[in-house]
Amino acid sequence: GENVEQHPSTLSVQEGDSAVIKCTYSDSASNYFPWYKQELGKRPQLIIDIRSNVGEKKDQRIAVTLNKTAKHFSLHITETQPEDSAVYFCAASIKDSSYKLIFGSGTRLLVRP
Amino acid sequence: SAVISQKPSRDICQRGTSLTIQCQVDSQVTMMFWYRQQPGQSLTLIATANQGSEATYESGFVIDKFPISRPNLTFSTLTVSNMSPEDSSIYLCSVPSAGGFNEQFFGPGTRLTVL
Repeated sequence: GENVEQHPSTLSVQEGDSAVIKCTYSDSASNYFPWYKQELGKRPQLIIDIRSNVGEKKDQRIAVTLNKTAKHFSLHITETQPEDSAVYFCAASIKDSSYKLIFGSGTRLLVRP
Repeated sequence: SAVISQKPSRDICQRGTSLTIQCQVDSQVTMMFWYRQQPGQSLTLIATANQGSEATYESGFVIDKFPISRPNLTFSTLTVSNMSPEDSSIYLCSVPSAGGFNEQFFGPGTRLTVL
């Protein structure tokens, strides 16, 4: 079945450094790739997404890249701040429905002050 | 994005009982999704709730265990039946964006503990 692998499971960086989280998907028909941030006790919040017709998208300190050939997509956070500390989930749409998502296992990001 | 509410926000239940979780949206949506998030884990899609038709369940989830209602375009319920401690999770509903795009937005979740 469809699968999304996410690495690393935990990531600790110094404030101001960059953080990169990587995901690989299995379904070549996937065409939508969102990233969610979940703070402790809160709901997942959509922070950025990318569609298959675009290779890169940037929003301030956050960027996402997509390599369709390799079925890889990555989240890049620059100039990290303590408030970036959270669990980040990648997801990919499922071929039989562009609205259904399969999620990666999550990355716990800790930004050390 | 839509404003999504869930009730209850949390509950502690005894094994063998059932709990019905409500999800309310402030705008009409064609699809609503129910997810489970086990402690420290990722999100797993349980089912898609469509108004006017039976819910569509994902592999590993069955209607007898997780019956779903969708009486109108702004409301859905998920029941967790005959609960066991393994059902202790956060249950979240989500809806797609109003613009017909792929974006999904989540409700605040219901934290369920089964003793």
